Amino acid sequence: QKEVEQDPGPLSVPEGAIVSLNCTYSNSAFQYFMWYRQYSRKGPELLMYTYSSGNKEDGRFTAQVDKSSKYISLFIRDSQPSDSATYLCAMSATTDSWGKFQFGAGTQVVVTP
Amino acid sequence: DTGVSQDPRHKITKRGQNVTFRCDPISEHNRLYWYRQTLGQGPEFLTYFQNEAQLEKSRLLSDRFSAERPKGSFSTLEIQRTEQGDSAMYLCASSLGFRSYEQYFGPGTRLTVT
Repeated sequence: QKEVEQDPGPLSVPEGAIVSLNCTYSNSAFQYFMWYRQYSRKGPELLMYTYSSGNKEDGRFTAQVDKSSKYISLFIRDSQPSDSATYLCAMSATTDSWGKFQFGAGTQVVVTP
Repeated sequence: DTGVSQDPRHKITKRGQNVTFRCDPISEHNRLYWYRQTLGQGPEFLTYFQNEAQLEKSRLLSDRFSAERPKGSFSTLEIQRTEQGDSAMYLCASSLGFRSYEQYFGPGTRLTVT
């Protein structure tokens, strides 16, 4: 079983809807949680990161971490067709403070006009 | 452009040939990472440099793979005697030492081994 699980989708939503993405993990040592957006045939682009538990908001994006459930979420409000991409979660343990990431497989999101 | 750059963007090679990829990190970033990504999967960690020192290597990095970062600036990843299973996107990322959770990725080099 992989350390980080992510539903591959595709997740199709109409423009303006809220996109809800999530990852589950098994390693309780994970403390840093990142979300990346990846367009087709491009490198991943860092969207947000959070440390430990709690919520973080940045514009239309909200990241949530529930360490007790080993579950993280990303919400995208007022979705746009330009949000159509693959969203990757990534995690890192403080013991790997130099930055070893474990990535999920990514969820493909399609926002239809 | 102050982002991470990679060269070439695409490489097609025949099985058994050697290939070399280059990564130029963001200039002030002292940490550099290589990842490999196959279709439908997230990036998998290959190796990591802090300045010029290679400090961690994944078991995915077989003896056919070697990476260098001379003078702590750009990095190269060489694959010798390529195999079809090496076909993937090779991604480079960089970060500042104290903010290693903020890794910034380059556009990747897509390798196809025929």
